Amino acid sequence: DIQMTQSPSSLSASVGDRVTITCRASQNIRTFLNWYQQRPGKAPKLLIYAASSLQSGVPSRFGGSGSGTDFILTISSLQPEDFATYYCQHSYSTPLTFGGGTKVDIK
Amino acid sequence: QVQLVESGGGLAKPGGSLRLSCAVSGIYFSDYYMSWIRQVPGKGLEWVSYISDNGITIKYADSVKGRFTISRDNAKKSLYLQINSLRAEDTAVYYCASTAYLGEVYYFDYWGQGTLVTVSS
Repeated sequence: DIQMTQSPSSLSASVGDRVTITCRASQNIRTFLNWYQQRPGKAPKLLIYAASSLQSGVPSRFGGSGSGTDFILTISSLQPEDFATYYCQHSYSTPLTFGGGTKVDIK
Repeated sequence: QVQLVESGGGLAKPGGSLRLSCAVSGIYFSDYYMSWIRQVPGKGLEWVSYISDNGITIKYADSVKGRFTISRDNAKKSLYLQINSLRAEDTAVYYCASTAYLGEVYYFDYWGQGTLVTVSS
């Protein structure tokens, strides 16, 4: 099974900050990597698919990059509604595993 | 708009069974793969199973293989998960999600609100 490791597991940031979250796969997954946001008490929401494609309706301050084993989610200017937990997920093969999550809270 | 509505969760005893349902509207259901994903409250996400648009291709996580059965009814625009031989570690919120694919990339583009399954004696 492919393991997905996110870092950091949590971070504190202020509105307007640039935030980066990393995700590392245990083997080469090309660009088969997706990112989700989950607000407390809500279902996850797709942000980025295929490593860098922005899902329709998602603000352009969200961006994804990377290929192979190392990936990055960037929020260019953190907004109040962005305080949430973020998960990466690979779709290279089954099982379709998720990273452990990165919780972004208010500094 | 797109809606996925899960039902069928609740309290069940170890060794018991439950059948989860997911009613879908706002997308062309027959064109979509569909998945179940679960989340222990306060913990991370775990993919459970997916089924192809025509129901022919089915995959499971090892943790549920042999106990869970995914199925769909395209005429009713509904997805199901039969859960047998329940264990305490199956306690989780179960989400259904439409599963889009672009070439070889799969992603969960729409999610339901989840249904809580609690396994306890």
